[in-house]
Amino acid sequence: NAGVTQTPKFRILKIGQSMTLQCTQDMNHNYMYWYRQDPGMGLKLIYYSVGAGITDKGEVPNGYNVSRSTTEDFPLRLELAAPSQTSVYFCASRFSLQGRNTEAFFGQGTRLTVV
Amino acid sequence: AQSVSQHNHHVILSEAASLELGCNYSYGGTVNLFWYVQYPGQHLQLLLKYFSGDPLVKGIKGFEAEFIKSKFSFNLRKPSVQWSDTAEYFCAVKSSGGSYIPTFGRGTSLIVHP
Repeated sequence: NAGVTQTPKFRILKIGQSMTLQCTQDMNHNYMYWYRQDPGMGLKLIYYSVGAGITDKGEVPNGYNVSRSTTEDFPLRLELAAPSQTSVYFCASRFSLQGRNTEAFFGQGTRLTVV
Repeated sequence: AQSVSQHNHHVILSEAASLELGCNYSYGGTVNLFWYVQYPGQHLQLLLKYFSGDPLVKGIKGFEAEFIKSKFSFNLRKPSVQWSDTAEYFCAVKSSGGSYIPTFGRGTSLIVHP
């Protein structure tokens, strides 16, 4: 199992550009999450999904969009990049069903700089 | 809503010193608790977790944590730290009932001097 795979690892964007951060997991996890990590601020939840076709906003969703067309993939879209979106982005997944739970598994992260 | 508080933002220790990182959560019901470690430039990895049973949980690399329900705490301990333990440590909580979302603390940066 590869676990949670994120691409790209690094990206520099200009203000106003758009991009998609890719996330895929091969563990058949039903829950997937996107977090951003800023220095000293811990992890802030951007969006999450409880299964294919279902997504919901987290704590800091403005400026982002997601989709979950398959169980495996959960891409994060930035439509109009702003300097405030400079951050490290982590995708995570976990399994939860009928009392069986796992911890969250994290991808390697995407370091995004908006200039 | 659940929340997590990590009291120590920065900890500096010498090798062989003992470590205790505080974590308190606020949620009145049954919880799942986690400690994650993030080595420099890497992603978060699970150190240990508590779902139920023995409140003293042993994890990887000699770490352990004790769930004290009456204090809403899940402190992380290690009797003797090593230089390689230099990392950021995150406590996380998820209500074992209806919440879908693990909530993370702000993290504690640990620096261990050789």
